[in-house]
Amino acid sequence: AQSVTQLDSQVPVFEEAPVELRCNYSSSVSVYLFWYVQYPNQGLQLLLKYLSGSTLVKSINGFEAEFNKSQTSFHLRKPSVHISDTAEYFCAVSDKTSYDKVIFGPGTSLSVIP
Amino acid sequence: DAMVIQNPRYQVTQFGKPVTLSCSQTLNHNVMYWYQQKSSQAPKLLFHYYDKDFNNEADTPDNFQSRRPNTSFCFLDIRSPGLGDAAMYLCATSRDSRVVSNQPQHFGDGTRLSIL
Repeated sequence: AQSVTQLDSQVPVFEEAPVELRCNYSSSVSVYLFWYVQYPNQGLQLLLKYLSGSTLVKSINGFEAEFNKSQTSFHLRKPSVHISDTAEYFCAVSDKTSYDKVIFGPGTSLSVIP
Repeated sequence: DAMVIQNPRYQVTQFGKPVTLSCSQTLNHNVMYWYQQKSSQAPKLLFHYYDKDFNNEADTPDNFQSRRPNTSFCFLDIRSPGLGDAAMYLCATSRDSRVVSNQPQHFGDGTRLSIL
């Protein structure tokens, strides 16, 4: 069975500072990895995904995540955060045999402080 | 814009009184999902459809039912809501990953259900 761990439930960071949100997963098979973002009172939006190929994936708004197979991690980073990045961030995993089912981590609440 | 729409955004019902939440999509996706999300927790999958093929999660209570009359619409019925069913309910859609691998899910903004 797969599982996802996000060790940090809350991350406060000052505006324009860098941030890293940690994600570790466990799976006995090859996986796909995702980061979703949820703004207050909204649904989840896909931020970025790793399917195969380059282990570093980037989003259009400056976030990036790196797949590390040996450490079973997919940490999310941004070099300089904005107030508008304040949201809940969910790491998620699916495996190549379960098709459309995704397992979400417990989430990390990112608060950007002016 | 193509999207996933959930109505209503906020729903209040009484303990034990049946309630229906609705979801519609203009994406023409054949997979639709219902998730339950409690405060400060991850979304929990209740069930999903491949077209009209219904897939229930093993730990979804019998109190939760679903209907999908056509591609565009999907409903979540809670037959006898208890206080523990107060949560945000999220609908999502995707293309079928069995056809083209690993399609992302597109979420609606959710319905927040309160139980009095």
